[in-house]
Parts: sequence; structure tokens; C-alpha cells
Amino acid sequence: DAKTTQPTSMDCAEGRAANLPCNHSTISGNEYVYWYRQIHSQGPQYIIHGLKNNETNEMASLIITEDRKSSTLILPHATLRDTAVYYCIVRASTTSGSRLTFGEGTQLTVNP
Amino acid sequence: KAGVTQTPRYLIKTRGQQVTLSCSPISGHRSVSWYQQTPGQGLQFLFEYFSETQRNKGNFPGRFSGRQFSNSRSEMNVSTLELGDSALYLCASSFEGIDGYTFGSGTRLTVV
Repeated sequence: DAKTTQPTSMDCAEGRAANLPCNHSTISGNEYVYWYRQIHSQGPQYIIHGLKNNETNEMASLIITEDRKSSTLILPHATLRDTAVYYCIVRASTTSGSRLTFGEGTQLTVNP
Repeated sequence: KAGVTQTPRYLIKTRGQQVTLSCSPISGHRSVSWYQQTPGQGLQFLFEYFSETQRNKGNFPGRFSGRQFSNSRSEMNVSTLELGDSALYLCASSFEGIDGYTFGSGTRLTVV
């Protein structure tokens, strides 16, 4: 699976949009971009994933650049409960077995 | 619907003992994966089971083993426990392992 690079930490004001970047310059054509987050001492929570088109769900939006070498997770109206470590993961979607390779992620702190 | 259930939530064991952790996936999910999380190494993949077969394995010694039953419930076993095995053990399930994973809250294992 391709390697990802994320900033170590970011801050965001409550109510504002949080934009979390991720670089994955070695991504292959069959690899998806996944985002998970982990609130302290809980299991990671799936947020969203995409291949090349932008995706939106009730939690967030995922913007993938046209060359697919980077992406941005957008939390449109951050709340204090969005404070967590956010992981960007790139992996191939196959039926022959899969694993999530977690990096160090971005610690997002939402401030009141 | 019920989430991924891991039991027990907390466990204290002595060096040299063995331990068995249990995971009940979301109903209908056939893929179950196990991860170890420590402050030093982060989240690391242990193994994945699909339809009672191990189809993916991480870089852990043979002391770490697992199995999956016909109802998709999974167990992992660690034999001859070492102090370094102290960690949060997380289980994740998905329908086929190619979509988003749902994680449990984990089992906190402390080896003394």
C-alpha cells in the first residue's frame, strides 16, 4: 500500500471548517483513500473513502486532486467532539485479503 | 444495529501466562481483523480472517494466533505473555474486507 504523509497536529475553531490534508504521491490506480479517526482510548471510526471522485457523507467530505497524489478531508462545522487523531490510509481494494496500515495521523484539536 | 463487541474490556495477566480475547462482529460481516495499539508502535495489523480462514497476517511472532468460527465470531490468543504485549487490542469487522471497517472498543491488556 502507498505511504501517506499528514501534518502532526492542527487546530480549528469550533463551528469552523476543519481541512485535513494528506499526501499520497505514490498512490496506484487501484488504491482507495480512506479516512478514519480515533478519539482517545476508543477504537478507530471509519469516516469516508474514495477512489478519484469527491465524496460526501453525513460526517465529512473528501476532496481528491485530479492527479490523486493528495486529498483533503473536510469537516464542515467542527465541534469539540471532533477532537481526535485523524488517519489517512491508502490501500488497494481487493478480495484477497486486506489490511489497514495506520501512520501517525493528525491530531486535530477543536478549540471553543 | 449492534456494533463490534469485544470482551473482556480490561485484563491483567502475569508474564508467561496465555490470554484469549473475543470479538463478535456486526451481524452479516464476514471479515474480522485484529490490531495491536501501543504508544510506541501505534496501530499495527495482526491478522485478518474471512469465512473461517486466515487470509492476511502481519509481522507478529507465532505466539499471536487467532481463529474464526462459523458464525464469524473471532478469538485471538497470545501465549507466553511478555511485558511488551501490554496494549490495546482492537477488532474490526466488515462485510468482505474491502469496504469500511467498524472497530470495537478494544480490550486493554496489561502484563505484569
